[in-house]
Amino acid sequence: GDSVTQMEGPVTLSEEAFLTINCTYTATGYPSLFWYVQYPGEGLQLLLKATKADDKGSNKGFEATYRKETTSFHLEKGSVQVSDSAVYFCALSTGANSKLTFGKGITLSVRP
Amino acid sequence: NAGVTQTPKFRILKIGQSMTLQCTQDMNHNYMYWYRQDPGMGLKLIYYSVGAGITDKGEVPNGYNVSRSTTEDFPLRLELAAPSQTSVYFCASSYSAGREDGYTFGSGTRLTVV
Repeated sequence: GDSVTQMEGPVTLSEEAFLTINCTYTATGYPSLFWYVQYPGEGLQLLLKATKADDKGSNKGFEATYRKETTSFHLEKGSVQVSDSAVYFCALSTGANSKLTFGKGITLSVRP
Repeated sequence: NAGVTQTPKFRILKIGQSMTLQCTQDMNHNYMYWYRQDPGMGLKLIYYSVGAGITDKGEVPNGYNVSRSTTEDFPLRLELAAPSQTSVYFCASSYSAGREDGYTFGSGTRLTVV
């Protein structure tokens, strides 16, 4: 079945550091890929998405490229801010079963 | 545009009590979902619905029930609450199966069973 694997956390960075959060997937067919962000005490918000191979999703300085050859969708940001402290979820959808499959999430803490 | 609205935001239940978590969306989405989130465990799908009158079980349906009488509303019913149901519950919706635009989530209900 479909699955999403995220790197183990938590991750703690200093402000302005470079961020990479790894995400790999297993899926039947050609999935769409998503990154969601959950700020403390809130629900999940869609951060960015990519619907086909080699697409790059971007939003709020975050980027992720859909790599079919390595089945990966790593999230990157060049310079993190304290306000980026949150839980980040990678997810995929093949559309076939009407459901998104989520990774376990990773907590990012950015210190001033 | 309110999106997905969940009520209540917080609730404490005693073991054996029952309650209904409310979820409503105003985006005319066909698909709706209920997840629970436990620390370090990600999101687990409880139930989902692909349209009014149609519901189906997710990964962890035991102890819960749902109904979908209208497109807008998708309440989650807890019968005979147990401590294992202490969690944060999220409702979500999508226009299609989520492949193009993913889901829109509510802000959650934090439930404690004591």
